[in-house]
Amino acid sequence: GENVEQHPSTLSVQEGDSAVIKCTYSDSASNYFPWYKQELGKGPQLIIDIRSNVGEKKDQRIAVTLNKTAKHFSLHITETQPEDSAVYFCAASINGNQFYFGTGTSLTVIP
Amino acid sequence: NAGVMQNPRHLVRRRGQEARLRCSPMKGHSHVYWYRQLPEEGLKFMVYLQKENIIDESGMPKERFSAEFPKEGPSILRIQQVVRGDSAAYFCASSPSDIGNTEAFFGQGTRLTVV
Repeated sequence: GENVEQHPSTLSVQEGDSAVIKCTYSDSASNYFPWYKQELGKGPQLIIDIRSNVGEKKDQRIAVTLNKTAKHFSLHITETQPEDSAVYFCAASINGNQFYFGTGTSLTVIP
Repeated sequence: NAGVMQNPRHLVRRRGQEARLRCSPMKGHSHVYWYRQLPEEGLKFMVYLQKENIIDESGMPKERFSAEFPKEGPSILRIQQVVRGDSAAYFCASSPSDIGNTEAFFGQGTRLTVV
């Protein structure tokens, strides 16, 4: 089955700096890659996604890149703010039946 | 349009009791997914259901766990004879169709504590 690895597990950045979280996946059949943000005590919130026919997608301060050949995708957050502090999960989907999640990155933005 | 609704938010059960977790998908969504999250870990897939059908239950333990999504009403994740190891947050997600084509949205989760 699919195996999604996520790095780093923890990340601290100064407010205003950029944060990058990387994920790799194993199954070339995966075609949908969402990113979720989870705040303490809450459910995961979809923040951005990318499909396999696109290499990059941007939404204000958040961008995601996908390299199908290398089977990796990354989340980029620019001009980080304290409210960006949360746990971020990447996921890969095969055949639309389920997500395979990474193990999460705990991001701390230091004011 | 209300989001995915899960209840209860917190559930405490003694060992051996049954736990019933409910999930009402977003309006217009016919696909429901259940995930389990242990403290400081990622989300582990359990089961994928469409109305009245289990599509994929490969992540669900064969014993004590069952799930349903009836024609009317919420999806139910049922855990019989709970043990301490069942303590976790259980999240439900819904989508209007296969995830490969559309986004899935998560509920706030049910935090199950087995004492």
